[in-house]
Amino acid sequence: EAQLVESGGGLVQPGGSLRLSCAASGFTVSSNHMRWVRQAPGKGLEWVSVLFSGGSSYYADSVKGRFSISRDISKNTLFLQMNSLRAGDTAVYYCAREDRFGGNLRGFDYWGQGTLVTVSS
Amino acid sequence: QSVLTQPPSVSGAPGQRVTISCTGSSSNIGASYDVHWYQQLPGTAPKLLIYGNNNRPSGVPDRFSGSKSGTSASLAITGLQAEDEADYYCQSYDSSPSGAHVVFGGGTKLTVL
Repeated sequence: EAQLVESGGGLVQPGGSLRLSCAASGFTVSSNHMRWVRQAPGKGLEWVSVLFSGGSSYYADSVKGRFSISRDISKNTLFLQMNSLRAGDTAVYYCAREDRFGGNLRGFDYWGQGTLVTVSS
Repeated sequence: QSVLTQPPSVSGAPGQRVTISCTGSSSNIGASYDVHWYQQLPGTAPKLLIYGNNNRPSGVPDRFSGSKSGTSASLAITGLQAEDEADYYCQSYDSSPSGAHVVFGGGTKLTVL
């Protein structure tokens, strides 16, 4: 059974940095499209970043230039480096696998439990 | 302001049928991108409910169904049960100069009366 487990969230001051981790089991991170999605308290889902299986990455405009997505093949783990954090970045951060079959994208079939990032002084 | 528009809330009595709409535009749903639906129970991570407009992952009851037409999509739930009370989100892709980006609806809270 595939599983994703996030860690690294916490309380950080504005302007600070955090590194989130997402450890995968049951499948290979580097063979899949992996995404970060966040949810501010009481709000909806917001896509943050994607790392495609081929290695290219993209970011939402709201985090471009501040966040960086990466993976460690040996640890089968996805990361999100978050710099210059703002109050508006406060949210639960989820990592998710994007299912694929042939050329079709079939939604995010596995999600982590989420890790809370709070940006406050 | 979400790219995909959903009603903030819907409600229904046990056993009834409810539908949740997801309205987009020519740059996302209308551009032939698939729509996926997620169910989020309180305090938990979202769960994939419908993929590829109208397909159910293994384990999802057939009370849940999806459809898509033009620039809109819908999620239908029949035989409403108390355990269906949750937030529901639609998701698709939107064209941009750097490629297709993921977009979500704002979410719909389903209340079972």
